[in-house]
Amino acid sequence: ETGVTQSPTHLIKTRGQQVTLRCSSQSGHNTVSWYQQALGQGPQFIFQYYREEENGRGNFPPRFSGLQFPNYSSELNVNALELDDSALYLCASSYSGTPNYGYTFGSGTRLTVV
Amino acid sequence: AQSVSQHNHHVILSEAASLELGCNYSYGGTVNLFWYVQYPGQHLQLLLKYFSGDPLVKGIKGFEAEFIKSKFSFNLRKPSVQWSDTAEYFCAVNGGSSASKIIFGSGTRLSIRP
Repeated sequence: ETGVTQSPTHLIKTRGQQVTLRCSSQSGHNTVSWYQQALGQGPQFIFQYYREEENGRGNFPPRFSGLQFPNYSSELNVNALELDDSALYLCASSYSGTPNYGYTFGSGTRLTVV
Repeated sequence: AQSVSQHNHHVILSEAASLELGCNYSYGGTVNLFWYVQYPGQHLQLLLKYFSGDPLVKGIKGFEAEFIKSKFSFNLRKPSVQWSDTAEYFCAVNGGSSASKIIFGSGTRLSIRP
């Protein structure tokens, strides 16, 4: 089975710009969750997509948005980037809307905002 | 809201020492509990999980955790650590109003002296 793949691995953007991060879920998984991991902290839940619909959202502003496609891959979009958005963005896939069996994580996209 | 507390930010041990990492969560209902590990330069991996049944859960690489409901705790243990256990360890919880997401603690960095 293939794991979770994220692209790009590293990205540098300027404050105010927009960014799109991509995630391909593990084969057989229909749910994708996105997390932000700032340096020295645990992953913070951004939102989850289940069967192409948003299925839960954390305390992130509306400039963080997402999509899930029919093949269950997903995008995370961040508008009007701020310096504090610099972090590792993690994508995790699971089999159903509730992660009873845990997530499979990708290696993440390291975003630096300058 | 649910939360997860990891008491130790950084633990330093010598090889063959015993390990116990503390984890407490705030939610009083039915929960699923997880320990994830992040080795240097690698993605988050599931060490072990608890859903129900025997409160002593065994995971990969000789790790185990004990769920003590009365203490809202899920501490991670290993009788004898190895240098290769050097990593960041995250306790996480899922359940109740947060059924669609896993909430992570801030992590404990474990350094093993060879």
